[in-house]
Amino acid sequence: EAQVTQNPRYLITVTGKKLTVTCSQNMNHEYMSWYRQDPGLGLRQIYYSMNVEVTDKGDVPEGYKVSRKEKRNFPLILESPSPNQTSLYFCASSSIRNHYEQYFGPGTRLTVT
Amino acid sequence: SQQGEEDPQALSIQEGENATMNCSYKTSINNLQWYRQNSGRGLVHLILIRSNEREKHSGRLRVTLDTSKKSSSLLITASRAADTASYFCATPLGNDYKLSFGAGTTVTVRA
Repeated sequence: EAQVTQNPRYLITVTGKKLTVTCSQNMNHEYMSWYRQDPGLGLRQIYYSMNVEVTDKGDVPEGYKVSRKEKRNFPLILESPSPNQTSLYFCASSSIRNHYEQYFGPGTRLTVT
Repeated sequence: SQQGEEDPQALSIQEGENATMNCSYKTSINNLQWYRQNSGRGLVHLILIRSNEREKHSGRLRVTLDTSKKSSSLLITASRAADTASYFCATPLGNDYKLSFGAGTTVTVRA
């Protein structure tokens, strides 16, 4: 089954404790992206990647890092999480040829206390 | 910065009625997309309309685009309970690979 998976689905952590949210897709998509969703603000793009070793900033990249060492994986790293990073995070992927049709993962709800 | 804004924020209709929501955006675009999000789930791509198109249909969905007014509308005809969800418009921000989503319209279809 074609899908985008994220782990963990739920995470409660404390300020400053480094964490990684993993994202994996099995559709051989070149394009992958991370979004955060906050009430009243919709989805905001954090980072995206056009292909392996190619990443670029989205709308709200501050406080986040990403890497794209393999085509299928696109982890989101919070080196020193802060309470304002409490949010619902989505990973998405698409083919470059049809990159407008993005496939979304189920989401990761992160709480930073 | 958010490019698109949906209106209304929330909509409640009876099953069988039509639901219409609008999206306004700020800068010129070459396409606009609509997505659906069921409660607690990821977004699902519904339809894309290009700047040279005025109207597009997909099943019970009808999307219009007015580039002179920088606005789009999504019409769901003969709504069903399963259409209860949040609907988002998305537009390219800067280059095509940066997408901007609006805050969404929450649609509730009453049985």
